[in-house]
Amino acid sequence: GENVEQHPSTLSVQEGDSAVIKCTYSDSASNYFPWYKQELGKGPQLIIDIRSNVGEKKDQRIAVTLNKTAKHFSLHITETQPEDSAVYFCAATPYEKLVFGTGTRLLVSP
Amino acid sequence: DSGVTQTPKHLITATGQRVTLRCSPRSGDLSVYWYQQSLDQGLQFLIQYYNGEERAKGNILERFSAQQFPDLHSELNLSSLELGDSALYFCASSVGAGVEETQYFGPGTRLLVL
Repeated sequence: GENVEQHPSTLSVQEGDSAVIKCTYSDSASNYFPWYKQELGKGPQLIIDIRSNVGEKKDQRIAVTLNKTAKHFSLHITETQPEDSAVYFCAATPYEKLVFGTGTRLLVSP
Repeated sequence: DSGVTQTPKHLITATGQRVTLRCSPRSGDLSVYWYQQSLDQGLQFLIQYYNGEERAKGNILERFSAQQFPDLHSELNLSSLELGDSALYFCASSVGAGVEETQYFGPGTRLLVL
């Protein structure tokens, strides 16, 4: 079945630094790659997504890049703020289903 | 607030019992998804309904079943509960049926099986 690997599992940065989270997937049937943010006690929330015909997408301080040949995609957060602290999940979409990575706990220290 | 509601917020029960989790999607959304989040298995897709019909199935155990009613709310039934079923169960909804539709997650139901 589809496997989505996500690294790192935890990431600690200082406020204002950049954070990068990386994911790899195994099934080339995936064409849509969303990223979710989950705050403590809440459900995941979509923050950005990218489709396979696009290599990069930006939305203010966050950006995603996709390398379909390498089956690799990444989330970049610039100028991190304490409110960015949360667990981030990447996902791939083989056969019309969301398959999530294992999550990255991001801690942004003031 | 995503607009998706789930009840109850917390549920404590014993092994062998049966429970029902309820989800109301956002107004206008026709798709409902169920996910299980546990420490060892992570966030896993269980099942999707679209306008009352089952559309996609994931890693849902045979002891689990779901349905979507004409008013579009959905219920997830978990039976013969085991300790390992303790987890957070999320419902999500989207307007359409495709996987590229934005899914809005509810706050979850935390199930503890003792």
